[in-house]
Parts: sequence; structure tokens; C-alpha cells
Amino acid sequence: QVQLVESGGGVVQPGRSLRLSCAASGFTFSSYGMHWVRQAPGRGLEWVAAIWYDGSNKYYADSVKGRFTISRDNSKNTLYLQMNSLRAEDTAVYYCARGPALTGYPFDYWGQGILVTVSS
Amino acid sequence: EIVLTQSPATLSLSPGERATLSCRASQSVSSSLAWYQQKPDQAPRLLIYDASNRATGIPARFSGSGSGTDFTLTISSLEPEDFAVYYCQQGSNWLFTFGPGTKVDLK
Repeated sequence: QVQLVESGGGVVQPGRSLRLSCAASGFTFSSYGMHWVRQAPGRGLEWVAAIWYDGSNKYYADSVKGRFTISRDNSKNTLYLQMNSLRAEDTAVYYCARGPALTGYPFDYWGQGILVTVSS
Repeated sequence: EIVLTQSPATLSLSPGERATLSCRASQSVSSSLAWYQQKPDQAPRLLIYDASNRATGIPARFSGSGSGTDFTLTISSLEPEDFAVYYCQQGSNWLFTFGPGTKVDLK
């Protein structure tokens, strides 16, 4: 069965960096676009970043552009999110999600989420 | 950026009642509109994609309609497990946005 498992979350000080990982199994990872979506405490969903099935194209929300980098390693079936210059407003549960290769949407499978807390 | 608005913010209903949720886009998204359900402390679950197609395993009481800028999610007869928050999402040119959500709670 399809599984997406996030890791790498935790508490980090403002201005520091953190890297999230998402381990995929149960499907051909290299055939799907992948996404990061976040949800601040008590708030709605916010799409963060997307990457094509082969890693050749990447897209970002304006709120993270220039600070976050999405990447993938298809040989390891793993998606990453490198988060630099973290701010308090980046505090959220981060989900990885799968989408079709061509359109990237809809997001048919989601991980369980990992909490990132940015605080001094 | 395409902005999605959802109404109402909260819908208070009883089991067995019909729920009608609205999603409006700031510009046309054609039929590239999905609906997700999220329960507390759970990841979102895909319900509807391309405005009107039910995802795998989604009960027939969930239906979607609309195109362009105006979309509707209808739950024909609420079951106890349907009380949750519902989000619409547009998928256009690999820049995705979600609506703010509609909470369906118990009256």
C-alpha cells in the first residue's frame, strides 16, 4: 500500500535551518510529482512547494520562495524540504503528498505530517 | 495567484441532513478543482477531483459540481463520520492554492 512517512521535524531557533524528509513506499516514486503542504496550528492548509517526477522543475509558494528548497532522490524513494532562514510563522505541521506526474494535482495520498516549531 | 474563497465558514447540521458547501475562485480554473476532508489530528483525504469525480473509495453521498469560478460540494445525507473540515483546492500550472475551509459541525 502507498505510504508516505515524514521525518526531521522538531524545535529550531529563528534564522536556523532544518531539513525534512519524506520516505515513500508502495508505488513507483519516480512516476509521480510530489508536494509539501503545511498547516499552522489551528489554521488551514497552505501549499508550500512541488517538484516534478524527475526533479527537473520545482515550484514554490511566495511565502517560502528563496528560503526553502524542494528536492528528491528517486534512487532512495525520498522527498526533501530544505528550510533555511526559518521564521516563527513557519511553525506548522508539514505534510508530504503525492500527485500525478503531468498535472501534479490532485494530491491523492498524504503522509501523517511532522511538526516544525520555530521558537527561541 | 488564484485565490479561493469558501462559504459558509461553518455549517451546523444534523445527521441525515444535506450539506452544500461553496468554493469560488478569483479567476477561472476550468475544472481543475478538488475537495478534501480533514478530521482533527489527521491528514487531509481527497474526496473529489476535476470538480465532479469521486476519488477511489469515496461514498456516493459525496458529489461535486461546477466549472470556471464557482464550485459546490454536496453531501446528500450526513453520516456521523462526515463532521469535519472541508477544503477546496485548485490545480493550475503547478501553482496550487487551498481555500480557507468550511467546518461542518454538529447542530
